[in-house]
Amino acid sequence: ELKVEQNPLFLSMQEGKNYTIYCNYSTTSDRLYWYRQDPGKSLESLFVLLSNGAVKQEGRLMASLDTKARLSTLHITAAVHDLSATYFCAVVTDTGGFKTIFGAGTRLFVKA
Amino acid sequence: GAVVSQHPSWVICKSGTSVKIECRSLDFQATTMFWYRQFPKQSLMLMATSNEGSKATYEQGVEKDKFLINHASLTLSTLTVTSAHPEDSSFYICSVRPEPKNIQYFGAGTRLSVL
Repeated sequence: ELKVEQNPLFLSMQEGKNYTIYCNYSTTSDRLYWYRQDPGKSLESLFVLLSNGAVKQEGRLMASLDTKARLSTLHITAAVHDLSATYFCAVVTDTGGFKTIFGAGTRLFVKA
Repeated sequence: GAVVSQHPSWVICKSGTSVKIECRSLDFQATTMFWYRQFPKQSLMLMATSNEGSKATYEQGVEKDKFLINHASLTLSTLTVTSAHPEDSSFYICSVRPEPKNIQYFGAGTRLSVL
């Protein structure tokens, strides 16, 4: 059974600082997603990572994937208050119906 | 624009009543749709995979007789919460993952409050 572990679960940081959120998963997969969720809203797609070594960047966020280590990271550079949200990683199983399983989420609060 | 349309966005109902939530794939034909449930400050938990023209596949611990799923066409899946109780109050989100695009799209979600 695929398990997705995300840490930290809660992160409070100052504006301008850098930080990394980690996502580990337990079995092989060919797809990993990062999503953002604002309170009371649905999910906003940030990144889709498909291959080992994949790195994608959008603004102050950069995501990477190491399929051998079964690890993805979401790096935040020079955080701003608008990045405050909950961030989820999600992994698609490559067996048993190709289901997308979510990590517990990281609640990020950026202090102005 | 939205790829997945979910309706209603908010519903309040009395205990014991049934509630139907619709999920429409606007830009893609979807033989498969996914239904998730999210309790406050928790992650999304996959409830079931809706399969067009056949029975849904439910995750362990999800009561199929309580959460009825119908996927009658390539663009519409419905989730009916039957005999709803306060513990069913949650945020329900549907999703479409059209292959081979690899991107998974989510509806806006339905917030269900059972009194």
